[in-house]
Amino acid sequence: EVQLLESGGGLVQPGGSLRLSCAASGFTFSRYAMSWVRQAPGKGLEWVSSITAGGDARHYADSVKGRFTISRDDSKDTLYLQMNSLRSEDTALYYCANMVTTGYWGQGTRVTVSS
Amino acid sequence: DVVLTQSPLSLPATLGQPASISCRSSQSLVHRDGNTYLIWFQERPGQSPRRLIYSVSNRDSGVPDRFSGSGSGTDFTLKISRVEAEDVGVYYCMQGTHWPLTFGQGTNLEIK
Repeated sequence: EVQLLESGGGLVQPGGSLRLSCAASGFTFSRYAMSWVRQAPGKGLEWVSSITAGGDARHYADSVKGRFTISRDDSKDTLYLQMNSLRSEDTALYYCANMVTTGYWGQGTRVTVSS
Repeated sequence: DVVLTQSPLSLPATLGQPASISCRSSQSLVHRDGNTYLIWFQERPGQSPRRLIYSVSNRDSGVPDRFSGSGSGTDFTLKISRVEAEDVGVYYCMQGTHWPLTFGQGTNLEIK
């Protein structure tokens, strides 16, 4: 059974940092590009960042460029999102997913940025 | 950036009747590799998004055949041949052809 299990969310003050993790199982993680997608409360889906299989290319939404870093450790079948300089508008449910090739989504981890 | 415009944004549907959602792109979604990476997701209340359709018209495993996707270039449609109660939720189109990846605003399907 395919699983994507996100963790690392929580409450953080503006300007703070968090590191999200997404542990994959049930498929050959290293073969696939992976993405982070977020959903602010009551809002639609917003793509955040993607990394290619092998990690040689990374893409970011303008809203997070320079503040967030996506990475992966294929030896651990894990995807990461390092989030720095967090703002209130980063408050959202963060999903890891492979949307284009497989359609796999995790259950999400909630990030709340508030003082 | 590619803008995806969905219509309608609210869809009151009748059980057993057809329903359709339009997704229009601000530019062609044909990739240089020849594929068109237009995807449809369903988000049921309290659940993670679920992919229904990929590459315009390919239904994912386990997706009922009452769901179908069509279109080309910049105009795409998701059709439900006979709406069932379990279809309530928000439907999103997404394009994976151009960076940045973008989603439509979402269409909220409810039962009349």
